[in-house]
Amino acid sequence: EPEVTQTPSHQVTQMGQEVILRCVPISNHLYFYWYRQILGQKVEFLVSFYNNEISEKSEIFDDQFSVERPDGSNFTLKIRSTKLEDSAMYFCASIERGGRYEQYFGPGTRLTVT
Amino acid sequence: SQKIEQNSEALNIQEGKTATLTCNYTNYSPAYLQWYRQDPGRGPVFLLLIRENEKEKRKERLKVTFDTTLKQSLFHITASQPADSATYLCALFSGNTPLVFGKGTRLSVIA
Repeated sequence: EPEVTQTPSHQVTQMGQEVILRCVPISNHLYFYWYRQILGQKVEFLVSFYNNEISEKSEIFDDQFSVERPDGSNFTLKIRSTKLEDSAMYFCASIERGGRYEQYFGPGTRLTVT
Repeated sequence: SQKIEQNSEALNIQEGKTATLTCNYTNYSPAYLQWYRQDPGRGPVFLLLIRENEKEKRKERLKVTFDTTLKQSLFHITASQPADSATYLCALFSGNTPLVFGKGTRLSVIA
C-alpha cells in the first residue's frame, strides 16, 4: 500500500540553525499538509499546499517557516532559525484529490532544538 | 471560543468489551468529522469519516455516531482487543478552516 514517507526520523539542531524536513507524499496525491505535535499536545495545522502554492497557513506558520515542492515528488518544510519551542514532531500529510477528505500522514520527524 | 474536547484523557477497558470514546465541540459547524488512531511516536492513521448529514457510520468493529444537535460524536470499538490500545483523535473540518484535532483519548485494552 502506498504511504507517505518522511526524512529524517529524528533531527537534532542548535537554536538559530536552519532545518529542512523532507516528505514524499503518495504519488497521485494533490493536496499536501504540514502539522506539528508538541509532546503531549494536540496535532496542530501549519500549512496546506496545492498547485504549487500555499493555500492556507496557521498563525504558527510565520516568516521563519517556508514550504517547497522542488520536484514532482518531494515536499519540504524549512525552518530558517530554529527556536527551542520548535521542538516537536512534524507530520506531513496528503490527500488524493478535492472531495476526498481522509488525510494520509507520514511517520513524522522528531525535531529537537537544543 | 472554538473548542474540541475529548472528554477522557485515558480509558481502560477489559478485552472483549465495547470501548466508547466521546468528542464534543463548541462554536463549530463541522461539515464532517473524522477519527484517527495514533500510536506512540507515529503519525495519525485515518479510520472513519462521518458527514454532518449522517447519523452513523460503521467499519468492521468500529462505529461512529454524529449528533449535530448535541455537538457530539461517539466512537465505539466493539469486541475490543489489546491491539486496539492506542490514542484516538477526533478532527473537525468546517469548510472554512483547516482540519482541527482534539487532544485524543488514550485507550488501553487489558487482556
